[in-house]
Amino acid sequence: DTAVSQTPKYLVTQMGNDKSIKCEQNLGHDTMYWYKQDSKKFLKIMFSYNNKELIINETVPNRFSPKSPDKAHLNLHINSLELGDSAVYFCASSPARAGGYGYTFGSGTRLTVV
Amino acid sequence: DQQVKQNSPSLSVQEGRISILNCDYTNSMFDYFLWYKKYPAEGPTFLISISSIKDKNEDGRFTVFLNKSAKHLSLHIVPSQPGDSAVYFCAATPGGGADGLTFGKGTHLIIQP
Repeated sequence: DTAVSQTPKYLVTQMGNDKSIKCEQNLGHDTMYWYKQDSKKFLKIMFSYNNKELIINETVPNRFSPKSPDKAHLNLHINSLELGDSAVYFCASSPARAGGYGYTFGSGTRLTVV
Repeated sequence: DQQVKQNSPSLSVQEGRISILNCDYTNSMFDYFLWYKKYPAEGPTFLISISSIKDKNEDGRFTVFLNKSAKHLSLHIVPSQPGDSAVYFCAATPGGGADGLTFGKGTHLIIQP
């Protein structure tokens, strides 16, 4: 049973489209995150959600919006997709005070905008 | 502004020898340091971590050393095995809440037979 699962694994879409990536965790964690790995392989945090509240919002365009229907889900909606949005997006989760443990990642969604 | 730096994009080590991966950080607020291993088309998987109050943590073949005054940590893998070939990410967090992890750019470790 996958701890953090995200769908789809691959997503190819045209510029200007709106798309969503879904994420679910079955670990009972309190906090969920979205990370982006760009073409230079740099993993950078985009958002985190704790108890349905946005905690961190790095300098991410407002075309990106996280939506959390409940503690186990954090979906990523992207509007008006641009070529530069092409990347691998990773969902992750952790306990509220993870410290040095407990950050678990999904297997990633490779988004290609053409 | 990169707060976590891994200056070696790749490292090649012979099987059976020691692999040493290095990481530097700039943010004094980091309290926990983690190493993640990543295979292609998979998510990062947790390997080992260390708290800022320690200078060494060991788990089987993996040992992480922390030099807080130098803001430097290293991961030692002994002995290196072919399955260790992967990208290794150094990450850090203040750890107090939903801070998430700040990652370095990764080091691609290649274990040669």
